[in-house]
Amino acid sequence: QQPVQSPQAVILREGEDAVINCSSSKALYSVHWYRQKHGEAPVFLMILLKGGEQMRHEKISASFNEKKQQSSLYLTASQLSYSGTYFCGTEREGTYSGAGSYQLTFGKGTKLSVIP
Amino acid sequence: GAVVSQHPSRVICKSGTSVKIECRSLDFQATTMFWYRQFPKQSLMLMATSNEGSKATYEQGVEKDKFLINHASLTLSTLTVTSAHPEDSSFYICSARDLVAGLAGPIRVPEQYFGPGTRLTVT
Repeated sequence: QQPVQSPQAVILREGEDAVINCSSSKALYSVHWYRQKHGEAPVFLMILLKGGEQMRHEKISASFNEKKQQSSLYLTASQLSYSGTYFCGTEREGTYSGAGSYQLTFGKGTKLSVIP
Repeated sequence: GAVVSQHPSRVICKSGTSVKIECRSLDFQATTMFWYRQFPKQSLMLMATSNEGSKATYEQGVEKDKFLINHASLTLSTLTVTSAHPEDSSFYICSARDLVAGLAGPIRVPEQYFGPGTRLTVT
């Protein structure tokens, strides 16, 4: 079950903020966020685990709402280097409670363009 | 963080030939690696899960006889695209998760590390 990302694309001016959402219809064990630039492999940003805390990396943070099975990525004071396509990868709960299924399913991505 | 390498980074081959792509975990052991395929402007689609010392697990719709996976050691998995056709042209990416020593035995680090990808063009 592929997670649903929104929006599909967003254009920001440098310094503006953005939120990218990732929703799943299945119970999740973890949500992983990646940024991919054109022609390159995805780069790991952060992971949110079930029952874990909101994560932060510099001016990028993320949260995971277990009730809604939704994660949000917050980009604050965007920089030109933030441009790229953001993917969320979701890991479903495994067979045994408290464990992950180990496989990631990726959303279709959100293309972020930051302009001067 | 852990480093995963892929070789080659780019390959162009003629239709009907086979191409082998290597995926290596450089500073950790990976009992499980994953192979993804990504078409332009699309998401990463999991093709198969590669398990060291055993057969790979393929996702629905992926031909196991066409995409041969061999996970011969804890640091190397290979994907061979056999009898390649132009529609096989894509960006192939591998990933792996690290194992660390836990109190009750080895545990998997939740982050998944991606290799740099291999762009395959079949002419």
